[in-house]
Amino acid sequence: AQSVTQLGSHVSVSEGALVLLRCNYSSSVPPYLFWYVQYPNQGLQLLLKYTTGATLVKGINGFEAEFKKSETSFHLTKPSAHMSDAAEYFCAVTGGNAGNMLTFGGGTRLMVKP
Amino acid sequence: ETGVTQSPTHLIKTRGQQVTLRCSSQSGHNTVSWYQQALGQGPQFIFQYYREEENGRGNFPPRFSGLQFPNYSSELNVNALELDDSALYLCASSSQGAGGLYEQYFGPGTRLTVT
Repeated sequence: AQSVTQLGSHVSVSEGALVLLRCNYSSSVPPYLFWYVQYPNQGLQLLLKYTTGATLVKGINGFEAEFKKSETSFHLTKPSAHMSDAAEYFCAVTGGNAGNMLTFGGGTRLMVKP
Repeated sequence: ETGVTQSPTHLIKTRGQQVTLRCSSQSGHNTVSWYQQALGQGPQFIFQYYREEENGRGNFPPRFSGLQFPNYSSELNVNALELDDSALYLCASSSQGAGGLYEQYFGPGTRLTVT
């Protein structure tokens, strides 16, 4: 069984400030981890993914995430927030051998203040 | 390359009715997964179809059913609609091989409102 917990349903930052969105997972098999972004009235867009290898993963739009097995975490960061980053962010996990079924967290809404 | 498309964009149904949602997978993809996203929540896996066969199912009742066609497009059918079925329904397509991880590409979703 797998689960994802995203701490903080809402996060507010000022433009130019550091973005940190938290994700902790539980998985009985080695996990594959994802971050997706969802803009209003749109589907999900993949930001980045961790499969194997390097634990620091770089994605699109300047985002990156670090897989920490000991902490079962996969937090998403961006050094400097932009107004266009305002959206809903979802962390997801799959074990890869369950048809790649994705288990999502509840999401974090990122608000960026001018 | 055409991405994942879904139809209709929005629809409103009455409790007890039946609904069919459609998904066209991305070119070259043979697998379609359906997810339900209730307002303010993360998506939940409904089921997946691979080469026209159901290939996994989440915790959803049998009144949620699906089909995949030879061209790999897919339908999600929901019978006896309940108010709690109101949600955004997302379709994701992927190219499943012999094993390992394959990336899922999501469509824009269908917003279903049940009154």
